Amino acid sequence: QKEVEQDPGPLSVPEGAIVSLNCTYSNSAFQYFMWYRQYSRKGPELLMYTYSSGNKEDGRFTAQVDKSSKYISLFIRDSQPSDSATYLCAMRYAGNNRKLIWGLGTSLAVNP
Amino acid sequence: NAGVTQTPKFQVLKTGQSMTLQCAQDMNHNSMYWYRQDPGMGLRLIYYSASEGTTDKGEVPNGYNVSRLNKREFSLRLESAAPSQTSVYFCASSDGQNFYNEQFFGPGTRLTVL
Repeated sequence: QKEVEQDPGPLSVPEGAIVSLNCTYSNSAFQYFMWYRQYSRKGPELLMYTYSSGNKEDGRFTAQVDKSSKYISLFIRDSQPSDSATYLCAMRYAGNNRKLIWGLGTSLAVNP
Repeated sequence: NAGVTQTPKFQVLKTGQSMTLQCAQDMNHNSMYWYRQDPGMGLRLIYYSASEGTTDKGEVPNGYNVSRLNKREFSLRLESAAPSQTSVYFCASSDGQNFYNEQFFGPGTRLTVL
């Protein structure tokens, strides 16, 4: 079993839809949670980050962490065609080990 | 700032050939990473360098070697390329100063081994 599970999709939604992207993890020692966005034929870029449980909002994006369920989510409101990309979750442990553990990524297409 | 640059962008090799992928960053970051990305496998860490002068194996180091030439540059070498090394290779860097350890990625090298 992988440490981080993420459904690769693809996910296709109409413009303006609310999108929910999710990852589950098995190791309760993960403390920091990130979402990266990767456009086609580009490298990933950090989109949002959270620490511990709770919500964090940035414009149309909300990141949510539920440590009791070992589950993280990224919500996109009023989705736009420019949101079409692959979204990767990433996690790391507390302490000096700065390696990130990655999900497979979910491919999202927002159709005009 | 150019950020993270990688050369070459594309490469086709024959089985058994060797090559070096180059990576450089101009953000004065301490840590650098080499990943490969394959369909259905996601991003997998090959090697990383937490700071100048140190390198460590990641998840899939077999068949690769790395050199942290200086703080800016981190190269990945394939000594005897195999078809299983066909992949997209990304170099990344981070300054390690924040808890989320934001990694900045280069544009990638698309490698095909025939």
